[in-house]
Amino acid sequence: SAVISQKPSRDICQRGTSLTIQCQVDSQVTMMFWYRQQPGQSLTLIATANQGSEATYESGFVIDKFPISRPNLTFSTLTVSNLSPEDSSIYLCSVMLGTEAFFGQGTRLTVV
Amino acid sequence: AQSVSQHNHHVILSEAASLELGCNYSYGGTVNLFWYVQYPGQHLQLLLKYFSGDPLVKGIKGFEAEFIKSKFSFNLRKPSVQWSDTAEYFCAVNSGTYKYIFGTGTRLKVLA
Repeated sequence: SAVISQKPSRDICQRGTSLTIQCQVDSQVTMMFWYRQQPGQSLTLIATANQGSEATYESGFVIDKFPISRPNLTFSTLTVSNLSPEDSSIYLCSVMLGTEAFFGQGTRLTVV
Repeated sequence: AQSVSQHNHHVILSEAASLELGCNYSYGGTVNLFWYVQYPGQHLQLLLKYFSGDPLVKGIKGFEAEFIKSKFSFNLRKPSVQWSDTAEYFCAVNSGTYKYIFGTGTRLKVLA
């Protein structure tokens, strides 16, 4: 199994600012994934972060809004930039070991 | 495009009642199917999964799910729920890659 720690667990941010979310895994993994869960909706994949290369973004998500870093095989950050109330969501970090996905506890972001 | 539908958004049951949560997916090829559970304040965790073979799969905590290919369904069942089953349940699909498609989740509340 994998243990994933996400920080912060929650935050309230002013519109126009940015929030950086950290994700630490207790084992080395090739790919790390960032999801968004908007209120009342399903988890949606934002991007896949590979160590040593640029993240791969899903349709509807762009690097300028969601820059991602992946400096090593156990750590990644997701920044949500130029915040607006529509960005209020839960953001989750995930890894896959074999065929099973493991998730962090999520970061609950509220934009005011 | 792949999609996953969970028909019940909120379910309230008394202890010892039977549970069935519906999940339907749309995808024409081979899929892997999952149910994840998120207990209050905890990570998403895998409840059970189906890749191939016996379409009736058993998971943790007495849960089971049946894959019915002709109906594109993967319903979750438990014969007798407990108060500790109060959680949010997510059905998910992937087609053998790392990309998961999640349903919108079902919030289950079990009354003691």
